[in-house]
Amino acid sequence: QLQLQESGPGLVKPSETLSLTCTVSGDSISSRYHYWGWFRQPPGKGLEWIGCINYSGNTYYGPSLMSRVAMSVDTSNNQFSLRVNSVTAADTGLYFCVRRVGRSSWFDYWGQGMKVTVSS
Amino acid sequence: QSALTQPASVSGSPGQSITISCTGTSNDIGNYNYVSWFQQRPGEAPKVLIYDVSSRPSGVSNRFSGSKSGNTASLIISGLLAEDEADYYCISYIISDTWVLGGGTKLTVL
Repeated sequence: QLQLQESGPGLVKPSETLSLTCTVSGDSISSRYHYWGWFRQPPGKGLEWIGCINYSGNTYYGPSLMSRVAMSVDTSNNQFSLRVNSVTAADTGLYFCVRRVGRSSWFDYWGQGMKVTVSS
Repeated sequence: QSALTQPASVSGSPGQSITISCTGTSNDIGNYNYVSWFQQRPGEAPKVLIYDVSSRPSGVSNRFSGSKSGNTASLIISGLLAEDEADYYCISYIISDTWVLGGGTKLTVL
């Protein structure tokens, strides 16, 4: 059974960099049939698509964070990562990692979510 | 890009059917058959109910169905149950492997 698990600091200071890792078990992150991505959800608000990355490292980012975000894959550890720099309180929220089946809108597996708070 | 438009809330009684709309443009919903619907209960990760407009993953109740007409996608829930009370989000492919979400709809089962 595929599982995704987010990890990283739950508290980040303003202006610093938020770094999260998603560890994948039960599937190879090198699969050419899937995309690996991130969503986030501010407290009490809706979901936002942050971006995704494929097996060859091609990245696709949403417009709202495009200037501050970077994603990468670590095939040796079967992980993918998210970095958001210059964070503010508006970056506080739940961050979900997710797998999407290529050539479809099927976001089939989700992590349980990682709470990140931006505060000094 | 602008978010897709969903009603902020809908409600229905047990056993009834309800429809949640998701309106986009010819750049997203109107141009691609890549629309999904998520259900999210408080404190939980979203769960996909519908993908590719009308496909349903195994394990998802057939009370949930999806459709599309022009720039608007719809999620239909038939035979409402108390457990359907949750937030519902639509998402559509827009361009170059990017995606846009609706603002979410809170379903209340009366």
